Amino acid sequence: QVQLVQSGAEVKKPGASVKVSCRTSQYPFTDYYLHWVRQAPGEGLEWLGWINPNTGDPKYAQRFEGRVTMTADTSISTAYMHLHRLRSDDTAVYFCARGLLGSTNWYYFDHWGQGTLVTVSS
Amino acid sequence: EIVMTQSPATLSVSPGETATLSCRANHGLSSSLAWYQQKPGQAPRLLIYDASTRATGVSARFSGSGSGTEFTLTISSLQSEDSAVYHCQQYNKWPLTFGGGTKVEIK
Repeated sequence: QVQLVQSGAEVKKPGASVKVSCRTSQYPFTDYYLHWVRQAPGEGLEWLGWINPNTGDPKYAQRFEGRVTMTADTSISTAYMHLHRLRSDDTAVYFCARGLLGSTNWYYFDHWGQGTLVTVSS
Repeated sequence: EIVMTQSPATLSVSPGETATLSCRANHGLSSSLAWYQQKPGQAPRLLIYDASTRATGVSARFSGSGSGTEFTLTISSLQSEDSAVYHCQQYNKWPLTFGGGTKVEIK
């Protein structure tokens, strides 16, 4: 079955960067956009952006523009989310999720990674 | 951006009863709405897309309805395993946005 397996928990200091990976299997990696969604402790879900694994083109939520980089390595069916200049309010569980295209040409998510806890603390 | 508001924040329901969850958008979405179930320590799980279509493998006890700005998730014959947080998500316009979630507790 479709699997998305993420890298392990990270602890970072404010101002540092973190890179989270999402290794996929059991489906054609380049056929589906990979999205990143985060969830701060006790909070709701927040969409960060997507990567098109076929072209390598990303699209970021405006509030993360300039601070996030999303990439994909098709040779190992893995997507990456790199968040820079970390702040304490970036502490959250980060999920990757496979996007399905709705009729309006935007996405909902049918398979999710298990999540990666990123803690930002001095 | 489109703001999604879910109510109530917490819903306490007895086993066997029906839970009705609401999701409201501040702009029309047509039917571009999904519902997810999230249990503690787990990733969200897709339940409903296009406002009313159940995802593969989802129990018929879950049903979605609505269009435009008002949407409802109904869970009938509530079971203990339904205890979770339920999130709605709009995919009508960029950026994709979620509601704040409704926690369903079993009495």
